[in-house]
Amino acid sequence: SSELTQDPAVSVALGQTVRITCQGDSLRTYYASWYQQKPGQAPVLVIYGKNNRPSGIPDRFSGSSSGNTASLTITGAQAEDEADYYCNSRDSSGNHVVFGGGTKLTVL
Amino acid sequence: QVQLVESGGGVVQPGRSLRLSCAASEFTFSTHDMHWVRQAPGKGLEWVALISYNGNNEYYADSVKGRFTISRDNSKNTLYLQMNSLRVEDAAVYYCAKSGLYYDSSGRGHLYFDYWGQGTLVTVSS
Repeated sequence: SSELTQDPAVSVALGQTVRITCQGDSLRTYYASWYQQKPGQAPVLVIYGKNNRPSGIPDRFSGSSSGNTASLTITGAQAEDEADYYCNSRDSSGNHVVFGGGTKLTVL
Repeated sequence: QVQLVESGGGVVQPGRSLRLSCAASEFTFSTHDMHWVRQAPGKGLEWVALISYNGNNEYYADSVKGRFTISRDNSKNTLYLQMNSLRVEDAAVYYCAKSGLYYDSSGRGHLYFDYWGQGTLVTVSS
């Protein structure tokens, strides 16, 4: 299996743009998906595939990928975006799943 | 609206067993792979196991392989996780998650979890 690496914490000023990254060998083969988790709640899918948002996810959330790095960008961060964000993908074997360690986003 | 409702969590002594269930509704359960994901208190998400839509294939994280068994009953729209030889480090909130696949132009499937249950807490303590 492979690992996905995320920065533990990131902060952004209200209304500014923030990028959260996820690195791992499996991302050279598979797209990452991204999840938002608020305290005491289950994770919620925010980005999947090349750059797809599920219904109900604001368009300020977007995803991109280059080489072994996937990125989640929030353009015009809002107070309600303060949460933990996790990436995941299949591992390099294709049969297992790996998660990043999570990034705690603080909106200042 | 898709619903996933976990049950079966509780307090168990190390070395004992526990069986979790996840009742699914409002989607065609028998056509989707399903997963268990866990989250220890204050920690990140950890994938536990995957079962294919028809139950023919199972995959496990190394941390639980040989101790946990994932299964499903498509006639009951229910996913299970049999956890044996529980360890203190297995204590976590256990989520079931529905699997989706995004296919790129080459036909490769990229996995994502589009729906999650609310989780059930497993505490392993003597």
